[in-house]
Amino acid sequence: NAGVTQTPKFQVLKTGQSMTLQCAQDMNHEYMSWYRQDPGMGLRLIHYSVGAGITDQGEVPNGYNVSRSTTEDFPLRLLSAAPSQTSVYFCASRDRTSGGLNTGELFFGEGSRLTVL
Amino acid sequence: AQSVSQHNHHVILSEAASLELGCNYSYGGTVNLFWYVQYPGQHLQLLLKYFSGDPLVKGIKGFEAEFIKSKFSFNLRKPSVQWSDTAEYFCAVNRQTGANNLFFGTGTRLTVIP
Repeated sequence: NAGVTQTPKFQVLKTGQSMTLQCAQDMNHEYMSWYRQDPGMGLRLIHYSVGAGITDQGEVPNGYNVSRSTTEDFPLRLLSAAPSQTSVYFCASRDRTSGGLNTGELFFGEGSRLTVL
Repeated sequence: AQSVSQHNHHVILSEAASLELGCNYSYGGTVNLFWYVQYPGQHLQLLLKYFSGDPLVKGIKGFEAEFIKSKFSFNLRKPSVQWSDTAEYFCAVNRQTGANNLFFGTGTRLTVIP
């Protein structure tokens, strides 16, 4: 299984440019999410989705958009990149809850390192 | 608001030393607790998790963690570290019901000296 696949792995943008980070999973997971990782701050949740057609904001959603048209894909869009968005971005997915309780682990992609100049 | 605290930012140990990394959380309701590891240049991988039952959980590579509900803690331990344990370790918490989003601590960087 490929698991969670992110592209691109590296990207350099200029301030004001837009781009999309792609995320795809082949595990038929309902829940998908995007995190950013910054030194000394751990991972912070940007957006998440509990199923196709459903998205919601996490801790740090400003400057990012998401959509979930299929179960497999969960792209993250930067509309107008800013230097503060320089970070490593991780996509993660999880299986549905079992018996109403979520006990599942998150499966992470390998990350996308974004630099905004 | 929920929070996860990891008080050790950087820990340096010699091989064969014992390891304990602290994790405290502030979270209402019934929670799941996780430790993830990130080796240099790699993505996060699950070390172990607790959601019910025996509060002492064992994970991969000889790691274990103990959930102490009264202290809101979930400390990670390993009796004897190896050079290959050099990595960053993240504690994470989520609720068992509701949105279930996973919240992470700021991480502890472990350096093991051969």
